[in-house]
Amino acid sequence: EDQVTQSPEALRLQEGESSSLNCSYTVSGLRGLFWYRQDPGKGPEFLFTLYSAGEEKEKERLKATLTKKESFLHITAPKPEDSATYLCAVQARGTYKYIFGTGTRLKVLA
Amino acid sequence: NAGVTQTPKFRVLKTGQSMTLLCAQDMNHEYMYWYRQDPGMGLRLIHYSVGEGTTAKGEVPDGYNVSRLKKQNFLLGLESAAPSQTSVYFCASGERTNTGELFFGEGSRLTVL
Repeated sequence: EDQVTQSPEALRLQEGESSSLNCSYTVSGLRGLFWYRQDPGKGPEFLFTLYSAGEEKEKERLKATLTKKESFLHITAPKPEDSATYLCAVQARGTYKYIFGTGTRLKVLA
Repeated sequence: NAGVTQTPKFRVLKTGQSMTLLCAQDMNHEYMYWYRQDPGMGLRLIHYSVGEGTTAKGEVPDGYNVSRLKKQNFLLGLESAAPSQTSVYFCASGERTNTGELFFGEGSRLTVL
């Protein structure tokens, strides 16, 4: 069964304190791994797609990387506006379904 | 450009009542999805559709029905609501090219008493 596990559940950082969020996955043939950001009371917003091990994507202070079993979302010098829940999802080859993890709640303190 | 619009945004039901959630997208997307989000459970897929007139079951389909009569609309029905269906429901849509970018609505918060 396809599965996504995210850690930690919650993370508090001081402004400027870099860290990483983890997404471990089990899938029968990965088509893609996806990162989303969700603000309170809002729907998730797409950040990145990663297709193969070794691939990296960057956007402002965020950098996503992928290995054969996990993905990391690195946050460099975060700001309070980066506070949100970050969701990871996978899609297996040959399916249309996206399976989401439970997310990491990030709080960045000024 | 509205994107994905969900109605209603809030609803309170009594056990046994029925209702329909409407999702409308104006991006001409082929794929549409209904998820529910509960504390500690993340987003769980209820039903999805890969085109007009087609639907398929997701991870947690029991107690729900869906229809996709028009490409732009995806309806989620609860025939006999139960307290376990209290949740926030999200609709999402995506393109056939399927880059993984799903566009989500703002959510519909449903409470079943």
